Amino acid sequence: SAVISQKPSRDICQRGTSLTIQCQVDSQVTMMFWYRQQPGQSLTLIATANQGSEATYESGFVIDKFPISRPNLTFSTLTVSNMSPEDSSIYLCSVLQFRRGGTETQYFGPGTRLLVL
Amino acid sequence: QQQVKQSPQSLIVQKGGISIINCAYENTAFDYFPWYQQFPGKGPALLIAIRPDVSEKKEGRFTISFNKSAKQFSLHIMDSQPGDSATYFCAAITGGFKTIFGAGTRLFVKA
Repeated sequence: SAVISQKPSRDICQRGTSLTIQCQVDSQVTMMFWYRQQPGQSLTLIATANQGSEATYESGFVIDKFPISRPNLTFSTLTVSNMSPEDSSIYLCSVLQFRRGGTETQYFGPGTRLLVL
Repeated sequence: QQQVKQSPQSLIVQKGGISIINCAYENTAFDYFPWYQQFPGKGPALLIAIRPDVSEKKEGRFTISFNKSAKQFSLHIMDSQPGDSATYFCAAITGGFKTIFGAGTRLFVKA
């Protein structure tokens, strides 16, 4: 299994500022994902971040607002730029780990709880 | 566009009872259907998953039933326990490894 840690675990930020969230995995993985989850709601995929290529963003999310770095196979960052109260949410890092036999398992980090005032 | 519909939104079950959560999908390109369990303050954790060439998969007290022709699948939790109280998400994944989540079901098991 993959163990994922995120920093910070939570933060309170002022509008107009930016926050960078770090995601560290205990094993090398090719595919990493960033999700957003409003409290009590489902998960929405922000982008897919594969090492060695540009991040792929989902509809409604843009690189200028959510720049992503993926410098190696165990680490990624997501920046929430020029924050507004609407960005208050839980941000989750996720990885896909492939097993022998053609199965895959998706693991999630504990999330970063962001409140924008 | 909601591609995976999940019901009910919330569920209250007596201890020892059966919890049933249902999901329906639209996109026939989905080829992997996992269920996730999420406790407050934690990220989702994979519970059990199934591929569309199998009609049922059982792991301990958890069973997935899959109806490919109806494009529906469900999670059954047998002998439900208070420790099972959590939010459950069904999901569907395409060959491109993009996961679409259902809206979630909050399960409360009464002691």
